[in-house]
Amino acid sequence: RKEVEQDPGPFNVPEGATVAFNCTYSNSASQSFFWYRQDCRKEPKLLMSVYSSGNEDGRFTAQLNRASQYISLLIRDSKLSDSATYLCAIPGGGGYALNFGKGTSLLVTP
Amino acid sequence: SAVISQKPSRDICQRGTSLTIQCQVDSQVTMMFWYRQQPGQSLTLIATANQGSEATYESGFVIDKFPISRPNLTFSTLTVSNMSPEDSSIYLCSVYGLAGGMVQETQYFGPGTRLLVL
Repeated sequence: RKEVEQDPGPFNVPEGATVAFNCTYSNSASQSFFWYRQDCRKEPKLLMSVYSSGNEDGRFTAQLNRASQYISLLIRDSKLSDSATYLCAIPGGGGYALNFGKGTSLLVTP
Repeated sequence: SAVISQKPSRDICQRGTSLTIQCQVDSQVTMMFWYRQQPGQSLTLIATANQGSEATYESGFVIDKFPISRPNLTFSTLTVSNMSPEDSSIYLCSVYGLAGGMVQETQYFGPGTRLLVL
């Protein structure tokens, strides 16, 4: 099992829709989890951090399911500007460097 | 968050040559990392840049191919040596942990260096 796995998508959703994607991880000892957003030809930018059961920031909600070892990202009321690749990241064995999933592509259409 | 810059932002190089990428942070940071993102792929950690000592390389990456320097808490370089077309990628530096009492729990990335090797 890979350390961090994501459904690559793409997820095509209309504006205003709610969309969710999951990220599964193999290290049951992981304590922190991150969602990054990466726009085309840009660097990843931190979207949300998750340290306990979940986190919410406006239209974005991240939830952690430790029993099943996955985190999810829920986007409500999708905007065109939400179109991007969403990367899940979890600290690696060294503690600070991150292991990234391959990312999930989201396209929000008018 | 810290402001991170990278030079060059992009380059096109001939095979067999070497390119040194610089990463500059506007604040002292505890840790600096170098990642590679090949076309259509996610980020892969190359190494952790250690201040004043040899970098810690991940499996599949070696110092002869990717020498790294980190002379202080705000600056690091990555050299891609004896390049081949397979080295064409985006190279990103990232930082963790602002020094001086400001704890930063997550990593932030520089804008990346886009390298094309012909």
